[in-house]
Amino acid sequence: DAGVTQSPTHLIKTRGQHVTLRCSPISGHKSVSWYQQVLGQGPQFIFQYYEKEERGRGNFPDRFSARQFPNYSSELNVNALLLGDSALYLCASSPDRGTDTQYFGPGTRLTVL
Amino acid sequence: QKEVEQNSGPLSVPEGAIASLNCTYSDRGSQSFFWYRQYSGKSPELIMSIYSNGDKEDGRFTAQLNKASQYVSLLIRDSQPSDSATYLCAVNINSDKIIFGKGTRLHILP
Repeated sequence: DAGVTQSPTHLIKTRGQHVTLRCSPISGHKSVSWYQQVLGQGPQFIFQYYEKEERGRGNFPDRFSARQFPNYSSELNVNALLLGDSALYLCASSPDRGTDTQYFGPGTRLTVL
Repeated sequence: QKEVEQNSGPLSVPEGAIASLNCTYSDRGSQSFFWYRQYSGKSPELIMSIYSNGDKEDGRFTAQLNKASQYVSLLIRDSQPSDSATYLCAVNINSDKIIFGKGTRLHILP
């Protein structure tokens, strides 16, 4: 069975630009969570979506937004990129609502120049 | 600010010995606790979850939870070089939000 997939693998943007990251959960999983991981730190929770609705939000500015589609895939959008947005962005899927049993994708490495 | 604290390490342990990783958390209402392993350049992988006070064993891994002391630990018996990784402690704040510690780097010495 395919695991969580994310695209693209790597991305380079410049300050002020916009970026869209994509995630496909494990088949049958209905919940997707997004995390930001800066080098040397643990993942920081950004959003959780379940059944296409936002169920949880971390302490990130409004420049960060996300959505979940009817097929349970998800997009993370970041506007007006800052140098500090450079990080590994991880998507995790869970069978149901909640973050108890979640499986991480390989991540998207975003570099902002 | 709800927090999860871990010693960043590195923690160096001889091969075959027991590695002990510790974590404290600030939110007394937390109910679910997790240990993830993350190899360099890879994504986190869930290795243990624990919900009740006491010990939970799975192969060479034992998770220990003490809610009164707000303390979670992970023991790795018979440490192998392949156990060298960063170990992340994570705590569910509510069913929809999880907080990770910064991780402890573990190095198993051959």
